[in-house]
Amino acid sequence: DIQMTQSPSSMSASVGDRVTIICRASQDISNSLAWYQQKPGKAPEHLIYSASILQSGVPSRFSGSRSGRDFTLTISSLQPEDFATYYCQQSNSFPLTFGGGTKVDIK
Amino acid sequence: EVQLVESGGGLVQPGGSLRLSCAASGFTFSDHYIDWVRQAPGKGPEWVGRIRNKARSYSTEYAASVKGRFTLSRDDSKKSLYLQMSSLKSDDTAIYYCVRALPSANWGQGTPVTVSS
Repeated sequence: DIQMTQSPSSMSASVGDRVTIICRASQDISNSLAWYQQKPGKAPEHLIYSASILQSGVPSRFSGSRSGRDFTLTISSLQPEDFATYYCQQSNSFPLTFGGGTKVDIK
Repeated sequence: EVQLVESGGGLVQPGGSLRLSCAASGFTFSDHYIDWVRQAPGKGPEWVGRIRNKARSYSTEYAASVKGRFTLSRDDSKKSLYLQMSSLKSDDTAIYYCVRALPSANWGQGTPVTVSS
C-alpha cells in the first residue's frame, strides 16, 4: 500500500499568513494527488487534483505543486474561512489512501 | 446539481449486518464509478471500496480492512448504490460517505454507523 505522510499534523497561523503543508508518498504516484479541506461536521471539500489543478470555484490563494514524491499545498494568504483540516489523497493505485491530516487553527 | 444522499446508518451490535444506500441525482449515474469512504470519530478519511460502471462489468475494489465482509452493488435503473456490511466490528464505527469516484468534489453528507453492544 502507498503511505501518505503529511506534515505538520497541526499548526497555528494568523489571518494573512502564508501556509505550506507537505504530503510525501511512500512510492512514486506520478501526479495522482488531490487535496481536500474539511471543517467539523462536514464532508471533505475537494480543492486540487492532479497535484496542481484547482477544482472549479476554489479561490486562487490555494495552489499545489509536486517535487518527486513530495507534494505541497500552499495557501498564499490565510483567510478566516480557511481554518480547517487538510488531507492529501493518492489515486495512483489501490487501495486509495489519505494522509493523516493537517489541522490549521488560529494563532 | 450533483447530489448523493446516503441512508441506512444506525446502531448495530458487533457481528451484525447493515446495508447502506446511496441515492444519486444530477448526473448520468450509470456512466460513473462510485467510491465509499468512511471516517471514524476524530480520524481522517479511509477509502472503503469502489464499484465501476457497466462498461467495466461493475467490477469492484475493496480495502483490506473490509474485504470479505463488505459488498458493493448498484442499480443503475434506480440510480442507487448499496454497501452491504456484515461481521461488523467496533472498528467499523464511522460516518460513511458515498463519493463520485475519487478524487472528487461530489460527496454525500454521510450516514453514521455505530457498532456497539
